[in-house]
Amino acid sequence: DVKVTQSSRYLVKRTGEKVFLECVQDMDHENMFWYRQDPGLGLRLIYFSYDVKMKEKGDIPEGYSVSREKKERFSLILESASTNQTSMYLCASSPGGQNTGELFFGEGSRLTVL
Amino acid sequence: RKEVEQDPGPFNVPEGATVAFNCTYSNSASQSFFWYRQDCRKEPKLLMSVYSSGNEDGRFTAQLNRASQYISLLIRDSKLSDSATYLCVVSHSGYSTLTFGKGTMLLVSP
Repeated sequence: DVKVTQSSRYLVKRTGEKVFLECVQDMDHENMFWYRQDPGLGLRLIYFSYDVKMKEKGDIPEGYSVSREKKERFSLILESASTNQTSMYLCASSPGGQNTGELFFGEGSRLTVL
Repeated sequence: RKEVEQDPGPFNVPEGATVAFNCTYSNSASQSFFWYRQDCRKEPKLLMSVYSSGNEDGRFTAQLNRASQYISLLIRDSKLSDSATYLCVVSHSGYSTLTFGKGTMLLVSP
């Protein structure tokens, strides 16, 4: 079965803390994505990666960075968490090549920044 | 103007009803179109792709009108298990970045 695993389902952090959200996929997919989902705003793309050590900014990259040192792992980093980064974070992956439109999502990480 | 717009709902329908969701997109260069389904407190999952000629998957029918930049999803004979949020999704290129609408919530009651 296709599997995208996010390391933490729920996190509570304080303003200014550095936060790491980890995502691992076991499908040998080339593409990986980080979205955040907020009520009334839907899913918004933060960063994505087409290959190891490669990253591209999405629609809302400010305040975030990413790391992809291995094909199966894509990390989202909040260098200095702020309250407006309280959100549900969703990692996804898809195979490379022709766009089939199917993203495989993890279960999400709900981050609260106090 | 939002890239992908949907009526947020909720749509409250009884079991057995037929319900239709609409979606408009602003980028005329959009190439690929999809409907995703998201259950409460779960991750989104692909429901079906949308083709220019229209396509059907059981009780679900998707249609695309490129001239009007409009996508629709029709659900016939609604089941309780159809209760979810339905996300309209477009892709602008051959690459894998997708733009999601905010979703339309469907509540099917007995």
